[in-house]
Amino acid sequence: AQKITQTQPGMFVQEKEAVTLDCTYDTSDQSYGLFWYKQPSSGEMIFLIYQGSYDEQNATEGRYSLNFQKARKSANLVISASQLGDSAMYFCAMREDPSYGNNRLAFGKGNQVVVIP
Amino acid sequence: NAGVTQTPKFRVLKTGQSMTLLCAQDMNHEYMYWYRQDPGMGLRLIHYSVGEGTTAKGEVPDGYNVSRLKKQNFLLGLESAAPSQTSVYFCASSRWTSGGNPYNEQFFGPGTRLTVL
Repeated sequence: AQKITQTQPGMFVQEKEAVTLDCTYDTSDQSYGLFWYKQPSSGEMIFLIYQGSYDEQNATEGRYSLNFQKARKSANLVISASQLGDSAMYFCAMREDPSYGNNRLAFGKGNQVVVIP
Repeated sequence: NAGVTQTPKFRVLKTGQSMTLLCAQDMNHEYMYWYRQDPGMGLRLIHYSVGEGTTAKGEVPDGYNVSRLKKQNFLLGLESAAPSQTSVYFCASSRWTSGGNPYNEQFFGPGTRLTVL
């Protein structure tokens, strides 16, 4: 079964506007972590933001924030004040069962964002 | 620090040929991973290692072998390449964490683009 679902089609966003990327996840664990990565056209994977399942506050990192709704099992990424350099593929990922020896991430299929001037 | 490096960056193989992809990290990380990325599929885990001398299968291990003889290196081998193995391969590493803490950022290499004809 798919653990991370990202189903939005490619998105176009106007420069300086905000964009929300949807991510839903499936787990029965109580302790888990959620990650967002950015992949620009150059291909590298860039870590953006992290949310732990027990974190009471939504995570924020500069222009990135994570809208974490635990009961709905969603972890949407919000990018505020979009810039041309935000054009990229964005991946949501989850780490379940953080016991020793298990640090695997399950990735979603990604959301494509194109920022237009 | 170079972080995570991958060799080679590009490679073209003929069906049935063999090759080894090399991943090296200089962050003294315990965990290392090999992923493949195909269009519309996100990243899928091939094999991973939780320490020197140990390896384990991921989500899509068939047709690949790995070795972790040194802590800083993780090798991915294709014994008899097939066109279905045409993909972009990413190596990643992460540090050891104590049980119960789900935070563990994975650091990615730049990727290897492999084409099997």
